[in-house]
Amino acid sequence: EVQLLESGGGLVQSGGSLRLSCAASGFTFSSYAMSWVRQSPGKGLEWVSFISASGITTYYADSVKGRFTISRDNSKNTLYLQLNSPRAEDTAVYYCARGAAVASRHLDSWGQGALVTVSS
Amino acid sequence: EIVLTQSPATLSLSPGERATLSCRASQSVSSYLAWYQQKPGQAPRLLIYDASNRATGIPARFSGSGSGTDFTLTISSLEPEDFAVYYCQQRNNWPLTFGGGTKMEIK
Repeated sequence: EVQLLESGGGLVQSGGSLRLSCAASGFTFSSYAMSWVRQSPGKGLEWVSFISASGITTYYADSVKGRFTISRDNSKNTLYLQLNSPRAEDTAVYYCARGAAVASRHLDSWGQGALVTVSS
Repeated sequence: EIVLTQSPATLSLSPGERATLSCRASQSVSSYLAWYQQKPGQAPRLLIYDASNRATGIPARFSGSGSGTDFTLTISSLEPEDFAVYYCQQRNNWPLTFGGGTKMEIK
């Protein structure tokens, strides 16, 4: 069974930093692209970042480019999102999600999410 | 950035009825569109990928159609567990984008 478990969420001050982790199990992590998607309270879904299976290729939403960094450690089956200089508008539940095997930019498995609250 | 517009924002139907949800793209996304279902307090679930392919384990009452800029998710006969929020998402261009969602509520 595919499992994605996010951790590292919590309260962070505006301008601080926080690292989210996503521990993957139940599949060959190194074979799949991964993404982070966030959802502000009561709002819709917003894609944040993508990383290829190898970790060589990354993409970011303009809203986080230059502030957030996606990375992965395939030896540890873990995905990361480093949040630097977060802003109040970055407050959201952050989901890690697996890219579908046949369409890596569609997301076929999701974690339960980690809440990040940015205080000013 | 490709903008996805979903309609209606809210759909009020009864169990057993047919549901038709729409997603319109601001420019062509070919067939690279997915549909997700999200229930309160839960993560989204992939229903349909690449416009018309059901994801693993998704019941046959869910179907997707369309290409280019106009897409439809159809639920042939609503079950009580289908009342949720539905999102479309395109993978044709970076950044990946989601529609604003359609909330399906019990009439």
